[in-house]
Amino acid sequence: EAGVAQSPRYKIIEKRQSVAFWCNPISGHATLYWYQQILGQGPKLLIQFQNNGVVDDSQLPKDRFSAERLKGVDSTLKIQPAKLEDSAVYLCASSFVAGGPGELFFGEGSRLTVL
Amino acid sequence: GESVGLHLPTLSVQEGDNSIINCAYSNSASDYFIWYKQESGKGPQFIIDIRSNMDKRQGQRVTVLLNKTVKHLSLQIAATQPGDSAVYFCAETPANTGNQFYFGTGTSLTVIP
Repeated sequence: EAGVAQSPRYKIIEKRQSVAFWCNPISGHATLYWYQQILGQGPKLLIQFQNNGVVDDSQLPKDRFSAERLKGVDSTLKIQPAKLEDSAVYLCASSFVAGGPGELFFGEGSRLTVL
Repeated sequence: GESVGLHLPTLSVQEGDNSIINCAYSNSASDYFIWYKQESGKGPQFIIDIRSNMDKRQGQRVTVLLNKTVKHLSLQIAATQPGDSAVYFCAETPANTGNQFYFGTGTSLTVIP
């Protein structure tokens, strides 16, 4: 079974530039998550989708971050304009949730460095 | 957000010894917990999970203990191996949040050969 795919793996940009990350979840997984992981910290939830609807985006900095999941499969996370403090690994995860909580499957992450 | 914390940020153990990694959680409504292992440059990988109606669950060389009274979770690794060196996170999901997980800070485990 193919895992969660993310791209690009690495991205270096100047502050105030924009960047986009892409995620393809495991086939059949209805729930998709974007997490931000700053070096030395645990993953922090940015946004959770159920199919193509948003379940929770309370911790997404909406003045600069946006995310979409058109057609309920792939998702993109965009940052515009980037700040130095956005340097982090952006992890995408998916889960198949039917009738109860279940494991999150993570991708390898996209490492962003903002200079 | 939720608060899921770890007692020790780093842990060093001798190869072959047992390791114990602890985690405190704050939401008494949490009903499902997972331990994840994260190696450098990789995404978190599932190790073991436990539901709130249990207090112990065993896997291959790993055991998770849940104490709901004091809101404490622990991961025990038997006969620790160099390949176990990684950062370990506990994650919790409160009931009725649609599988929304909150992660702790993590403990970095180093196995000394």
